[in-house]
Formats: sequence, structure tokens, C-alpha cells
Amino acid sequence: KAGVTQTPRYLIKTRGQQVTLSCSPISGHRSVSWYQQTPGQGLQFLFEYFSETQRNKGNFPGRFSGRQFSNSRSEMNVSTLELGDSALYLCASSLAGGPTNEKLFFGSGTQLSVL
Amino acid sequence: DQQVKQNSPSLSVQEGRISILNCDYTNSMFDYFLWYKKYPAEGPTFLISISSIKDKNEDGRFTVFLNKSAKHLSLHIVPSQPGDSAVYFCAVTERAGGTSYGKLTFGQGTILTVHP
Repeated sequence: KAGVTQTPRYLIKTRGQQVTLSCSPISGHRSVSWYQQTPGQGLQFLFEYFSETQRNKGNFPGRFSGRQFSNSRSEMNVSTLELGDSALYLCASSLAGGPTNEKLFFGSGTQLSVL
Repeated sequence: DQQVKQNSPSLSVQEGRISILNCDYTNSMFDYFLWYKKYPAEGPTFLISISSIKDKNEDGRFTVFLNKSAKHLSLHIVPSQPGDSAVYFCAVTERAGGTSYGKLTFGQGTILTVHP
């Protein structure tokens, strides 16, 4: 069974631009979560989607948004990029992401650099 | 305000010996605890988990211990192997509250180096 796939692996953008990252979950997994990893803040939860609905959200500004498609694939978008948005963005999937399905399977991430 | 702390940024161990990684949390509502392993340029990989109704869980060379009264968990790796060298993250979640969808709160990680 294929793992969680994230594209692209690396991305370089300039301040003020916007970016879209893509995630394909493990087949059969319906919950997709997004995390940001930085050296200073560590791994931080962005949001979670299930059946095309955002069910949970972390403490990030509205410039960070996401969506999920009917095939469970997900995208996240960051608008008006700032230097501090440079990070590794990780996508994780799970069967249902509910209270009894906390075991998340992570992709390799997209390394975003904002210049 | 860090809810999950891994106070040792790094740990160095000889091959064959025991590695003990520690994690402390502050919120008594957390009821499910996980350990992940991460190599550079890769996503975290699930290792082992434990629920709050247990105090120990074993899986091969890996054992997780939970001390609820101290709000402390630890991961024991016995025997340690050079391939275990990676960053180890503890993660916690609150199942009972119904707000845990997809959300794990991670510690800052401990870099484990196992020397041959």
C-alpha cells in the first residue's frame, strides 16, 4: 500500500506570493491533517479535514487555508507569504482521525523556503 | 506555554545498551500518548503508543512507560542499534474531549545517537 504522498518536495517562493501544497493520503484513509515544522516552534498542528469538511484547526492566521476533495486528497494554501512561513509542511493521514484513530501516518513533507 | 516537553535535546548511547527517552506533559486531560521517530528530510514514523488506562506497552525492542501521577512518559529501546539514530518525538492527544480530530501535540524532540 502506498504511503502518504506530498508534492512538491521543495519549493522556493518570494514574500507576498502564495503557494499551494498537495497531499494524497493512504488509500482508504479519509482524514488528512497538516502540520508545520520549524526549528523554533517544532511540529505544530494546522488543520484537519474529513469528508471535505474542516473539523479541527490550530492557531494559525487565516492566510493558511486548506481543502479536501471527494477522493480524500487535500491541498493547503498559504497566501501573502512571509519569511517566517519557511518551514517543512507535513501532511498526515488516518482512517477517520477521530478520538480512537490517533495514529497518524506522515508524508515526507514539502520544504518551503520564502525569500 | 509548552504542554509537552522533552528536556533532553540529545542522547548518546553505545550500541547494545539501553536508550531511555523522556517526555513530560502538563495537561491531565491528555489520555493517549505516542512516540514517533524522524529521519532528516522525512516525515515522522509511528513507533509505539499507550493509552492512559495502561502504564506499560511493549513492541519488540521498544517499551513505553506511562506515569500518570507524574505526567511523565518514557521510551526504552533495548538493545539500541546504530539504525535507531534519529530524532524521537513524543506526542499526546485528548481522546475523551472530542476535539482531537487529527491533532497531536508534539514535544520538541530528542536526537538519539547510537554509536557502534
